[in-house]
Amino acid sequence: AQSVTQLGSHVSVSEGALVLLRCNYSSSVPPYLFWYVQYPNQGLQLLLKYTSAATLVKGINGFEAEFKKSETSFHLTKPSAHMSDAAEYFCAVSSFKAAGNKLTFGGGTRVLVKP
Amino acid sequence: KAGVTQTPRYLIKTRGQQVTLSCSPISGHRSVSWYQQTPGQGLQFLFEYFSETQRNKGNFPGRFSGRQFSNSRSEMNVSTLELGDSALYLCASSLLIAGDGTDTQYFGPGTRLTVL
Repeated sequence: AQSVTQLGSHVSVSEGALVLLRCNYSSSVPPYLFWYVQYPNQGLQLLLKYTSAATLVKGINGFEAEFKKSETSFHLTKPSAHMSDAAEYFCAVSSFKAAGNKLTFGGGTRVLVKP
Repeated sequence: KAGVTQTPRYLIKTRGQQVTLSCSPISGHRSVSWYQQTPGQGLQFLFEYFSETQRNKGNFPGRFSGRQFSNSRSEMNVSTLELGDSALYLCASSLLIAGDGTDTQYFGPGTRLTVL
């Protein structure tokens, strides 16, 4: 069985400061990992995904994440927060032989950006 | 290219009723998945359809069902609604090029269901 844990349901950052959202996974097979963002009253938008190529993955809007197998982590970072980054972020996992497109999501982290 | 569309966007029902939600995937996408999002349980996988066949199913009671049509459009149905079924129901589509868990899923805006 797979699972995802996101540490911190709420994160508050100042505009221009580093954004760091933590995600740890549990999977008995090599995982594929995704970060999605959800703005109010909208669906989920893919930020980036790891599918066993480069361990450092760059995504949209200046976000990136690093896959660390030894730490079973896939933390999301952005060097400088912008007001438009205020949203909820979800880490998700699927895996090879998952028989399709089932994503298992973490609980989400809501980001507040202070001016 | 148009994104994933879901209708209706908002729905209010009473306990015991049934409801049908609709999802139109991105043109050319063959896989459609459904997720339930609630404040308490978060995002949970309901089921996935590909070529009109259910390929994967989450841990939900039989009151939740779905189907996919030959044009890849999908519907999900919830019968005998309960208060706890109030949620945002999200549909996602993918090309299913690899079919091994790496395909990107593109989400629609969701249907917000309120059960009174």
